[in-house]
Amino acid sequence: EIQLVESGGGLVKPGGSLRLSCAASGFTFSSYSMNWVRQAPGKGLEWVSSISSSSSTIYYADSVKGRFTISRDNAKNSLYLQMNSLRAEDTAVYYCAAGGNPGYWGQGTLVTVSS
Amino acid sequence: DVVMTQSPLSLPVTLGQPASISCRSSQSLVHSDGNTYLNWFQQRPGQSPRRLIYRASNRDSGVPDRFSGSGSGTDFTLKISRVEAEDVGVYYCMQATHWPRTFGQGTKVEIK
Repeated sequence: EIQLVESGGGLVKPGGSLRLSCAASGFTFSSYSMNWVRQAPGKGLEWVSSISSSSSTIYYADSVKGRFTISRDNAKNSLYLQMNSLRAEDTAVYYCAAGGNPGYWGQGTLVTVSS
Repeated sequence: DVVMTQSPLSLPVTLGQPASISCRSSQSLVHSDGNTYLNWFQQRPGQSPRRLIYRASNRDSGVPDRFSGSGSGTDFTLKISRVEAEDVGVYYCMQATHWPRTFGQGTKVEIK
């Protein structure tokens, strides 16, 4: 069974940092590009970042560029998102999703940025 | 950035009746490799998104055949031939041809 399990969300103050993780199983993780997609409360889906299977190509949304860093460890079947200089508008459920046309999604982890 | 515009944003439907959602892109979604990377996702209340359709018209495994995708270039449509109660939720189109990836605003499907 294909599973993506996000963790690391929580409450953080503005300007703070958080590291999200996504543990993958049930498919050949190292063959898939991976993505982070977020959804603010009551809002639509917003693409955040993508990383190729070998980590050679990385893209970010302008809204997070310079503050967020995506990475992966294919030996550990894991995807990460380091989030620095967090703002209130980063409050959202963060999903990891597998594939260039994301066919597999995790259940999401909630990040709340508030003082 | 490619702007994805969905319509309608709210779609009340009668059980057993058809439903149709439009998605228009501000640029052609034909990739240099010849493929059109337009996806449709369903998000039921309280759940994660689920991909229904990829490359504009290919139905994912396990997706009921009452769902179909069509279109090309900049104009795409998701159709539900006969709406069932389990189809309630928000539907999003997403383009994966250009960077950054972009989603439509979402169309909320509800039962009348």
